[in-house]
Amino acid sequence: KNQVEQSPQSLIILEGKNCTLQCNYTVSPFSNLRWYKQDTGRGPVSLTIMTFSENTKSNGRYTATLDADTKQSSLHITASQLSDSASYICVVSPPGGSYIPTFGRGTSLIVHP
Amino acid sequence: KAGVTQTPRYLIKTRGQQVTLSCSPISGHRSVSWYQQTPGQGLQFLFEYFSETQRNKGNFPGRFSGRQFSNSRSEMNVSTLELGDSALYLCASSARSEEETQYFGPGTRLLVL
Repeated sequence: KNQVEQSPQSLIILEGKNCTLQCNYTVSPFSNLRWYKQDTGRGPVSLTIMTFSENTKSNGRYTATLDADTKQSSLHITASQLSDSASYICVVSPPGGSYIPTFGRGTSLIVHP
Repeated sequence: KAGVTQTPRYLIKTRGQQVTLSCSPISGHRSVSWYQQTPGQGLQFLFEYFSETQRNKGNFPGRFSGRQFSNSRSEMNVSTLELGDSALYLCASSARSEEETQYFGPGTRLLVL
């Protein structure tokens, strides 16, 4: 069964600090791995999309890395801001025409002033 | 460009009833996907439509159905509602395929009593 595990489940950091969120998956092969940010009460917003052949992708202060050999991805947030407080969700999609993505349960990040 | 809109935003139904949710994608987007989000299961893929055809379907019972119109607007229907159908239903659109960046709507929060 395809699984996506995220850690930690929740994280509290101080404003200005960096943090790294982890995503381990069993989906193989896969087409792409995405990271989303979801604010409370809102729909997810796409942060990065990486294909299996990419190692890193950046979007401003957000940098995602991918190690297809170990089936691990991480999302690094630099110089955190209060607005970074949200749930961060990792999603892995299989290749080909059968698009049934597998979602992680998310990491809840709280940034304190 | 206007974002993805979903109506209604909130809905209360009783067990056994049916419900129809609506999604208007970003102008020019032809792919529309639906997702269910619950605290217990997280985000789960329901189905994806492209040019009025269902391209992919997740592992949900036949009570969950959808359709897409010629203007790319989409509706999903849930018949014979159960308490466990209480969830946030999210719609996302992309230009051509689910492998591109998806843009999510704010969701419809359904409560089944």
